[in-house]
Amino acid sequence: SQQGEEDPQALSIQEGENATMNCSYKTSINNLQWYRQNSGRGLVHLILIRSNEREKHSGRLRVTLDTSKKSSSLLITASRAADTASYFCATDATSNDYKLSFGAGTTVTVRA
Amino acid sequence: KAGVTQTPRYLIKTRGQQVTLSCSPISGHRSVSWYQQTPGQGLQFLFEYFSETQRNKGNFPGRFSGRQFSNSRSEMNVSTLELGDSALYLCASSPAVGVADTQYFGPGTRLTVL
Repeated sequence: SQQGEEDPQALSIQEGENATMNCSYKTSINNLQWYRQNSGRGLVHLILIRSNEREKHSGRLRVTLDTSKKSSSLLITASRAADTASYFCATDATSNDYKLSFGAGTTVTVRA
Repeated sequence: KAGVTQTPRYLIKTRGQQVTLSCSPISGHRSVSWYQQTPGQGLQFLFEYFSETQRNKGNFPGRFSGRQFSNSRSEMNVSTLELGDSALYLCASSPAVGVADTQYFGPGTRLTVL
């Protein structure tokens, strides 16, 4: 079963614009990760944020976590064509025996 | 270091057959997890192995099984294939047990069941 739900399901933006996607989850978590997948290939880890952290940055990526709302957001700034991919949030929780549970993903298309 | 490798990359089988997929983790990684990805169900956790022991299992029927060898390489087997088993099967490795660590994914094996 999927713990995380991403919103929106799909996003189309112009190169240079920012892209924001959200992830909501149902139960208390230990950690939340974001992954990128290009066209049905393997996933690439982007960033991990722990439940006691509120914000994290990595290059053009900014992730926030609001445990009171059980939600996280991923912001990609100054998007590039190479950012075209599907983005997934994944959570692990003690209640789920630490299994990694993925959301349905947000498909981002960056137009040149 | 070489990344996670999965073989074969593509596979076509017919209903009722069985299949074995292979995963070689990054050198030094002892944890291997398997996931099934389908358009309808998304990414679903199958199982995790650490030091040749199955540490965790997802909600899949007993037709799905796996094992890990002493060199950390892992195989998963699906017996009596059904049409619904058509999916991208992804393997991921990490240095330690548990998923709080970054998971390093392989390119996947695309299984088509006819």
